[in-house]
Amino acid sequence: EPEVTQTPSHQVTQMGQEVILRCVPISNHLYFYWYRQILGQKVEFLVSFYNNEISEKSEIFDDQFSVERPDGSNFTLKIRSTKLEDSAMYFCASRAARVMLHEQFFGPGTRLTVL
Amino acid sequence: AQSVTQPDIHITVSEGASLELRCNYSYGATPYLFWYVQSPGQGLQLLLKYFSGDTLVQGIKGFEAEFKRSQSSFNLRKPSVHWSDAAEYFCAVGALNAGNMLTFGGGTRLMVKP
Repeated sequence: EPEVTQTPSHQVTQMGQEVILRCVPISNHLYFYWYRQILGQKVEFLVSFYNNEISEKSEIFDDQFSVERPDGSNFTLKIRSTKLEDSAMYFCASRAARVMLHEQFFGPGTRLTVL
Repeated sequence: AQSVTQPDIHITVSEGASLELRCNYSYGATPYLFWYVQSPGQGLQLLLKYFSGDTLVQGIKGFEAEFKRSQSSFNLRKPSVHWSDAAEYFCAVGALNAGNMLTFGGGTRLMVKP
């Protein structure tokens, strides 16, 4: 069964460093998402991406964040200068293009720890 | 703006007992509703979804949920809980725009007593 994969599973970084979180969505999916979950809190939407551009983003997704689909398979989230409050689990998700198939398939997540 | 409320942060049930997890949503149109389950250290797995039609939807692992428009609710149920059902459960509402972002509730942590 196809699945969304994410690497690394755990990333530890120093405050102020740049991090790139990687995701490989399901191959025939066209919509891609990043969500985050701060420990003990709810899952929050960050950004959605379609046709090589951002289609929607939340207030959390400020200028420190960027997304890219550098090739036909990867979808990345970059945080330019990490802050302590960026520590969270980051989930990538993807969905198929057909309107009725609104199910988003989630990856296992990357736990980001900023020291 | 859409929102989801899960009133119960923690629920403990005995194995074999029935389960109902509550979810209330706020959305301006007919919502797309989802229940996801998250086991420790794992990602989010879809249990079931509601788009339209029959208001009682069946999902995986013996779960079902009922959409009640008048109550703005989408409660998750299972007639007999198994120890392996211990996990965190998230209700979510999906926007109807092209981005289709999901808005999640705060989650309910289910513990199962032997």
